[in-house]
Amino acid sequence: KNQVEQSPQSLIILEGKNCTLQCNYTVSPFSNLRWYKQDTGRGPVSLTIMTFSENTKSNGRYTATLDADTKQSSLHITASQLSDSASYICVVRDRLKLIFGSGTRLLVRP
Amino acid sequence: DGGITQSPKYLFRKEGQNVTLSCEQNLNHDAMYWYRQDPGQGLRLIYYSQIVNDFQKGDIAEGYSVSREKKESFPLTVTSAQKNPTAFYLCASSALGDEQFFGPGTRLTVL
Repeated sequence: KNQVEQSPQSLIILEGKNCTLQCNYTVSPFSNLRWYKQDTGRGPVSLTIMTFSENTKSNGRYTATLDADTKQSSLHITASQLSDSASYICVVRDRLKLIFGSGTRLLVRP
Repeated sequence: DGGITQSPKYLFRKEGQNVTLSCEQNLNHDAMYWYRQDPGQGLRLIYYSQIVNDFQKGDIAEGYSVSREKKESFPLTVTSAQKNPTAFYLCASSALGDEQFFGPGTRLTVL
């Protein structure tokens, strides 16, 4: 069964600190993997997309990694800001559809 | 939220009532999607449409209906047959096979 598992479920960090969110998937065949940011009560917004051949991709303070062999991805947030407080969703595309993880809820405290 | 709008933002429904959620996009996308989001779960696909006048059931279509009479519009009706409709509903659109852009969502609560 195609699944996307994210950890941790929730995370609290202090402003200015770094953090790493994890995503493990069992989706096959694999087309691409996206990380989305979803603010409370809003729709998700894409942060990065990674294909099979890509190991690392950055978008400002966000850096995503992909290990296609172990089927793991991570999202690293550097120098966190209060506006980073949101849910981060890992989404894997197979040939036909998107499979969504349940998200990691991040709270950045001053 | 790109060029996708959803209305209303909040919707309250009495048991036994049908309600319709609106989704409009001005991105000229062929494909449109409806998802349901519940706390602690990933988004689940309700219905999708890849072309006008055609749509397909997703993973949890029971109790829902859609129409696609115009390219820009993909309304979702939550019928009384949906036993647990309280959730956050997200509409998305995309060029075929490309990134999906999401609307701001509608929170439906059954009273």
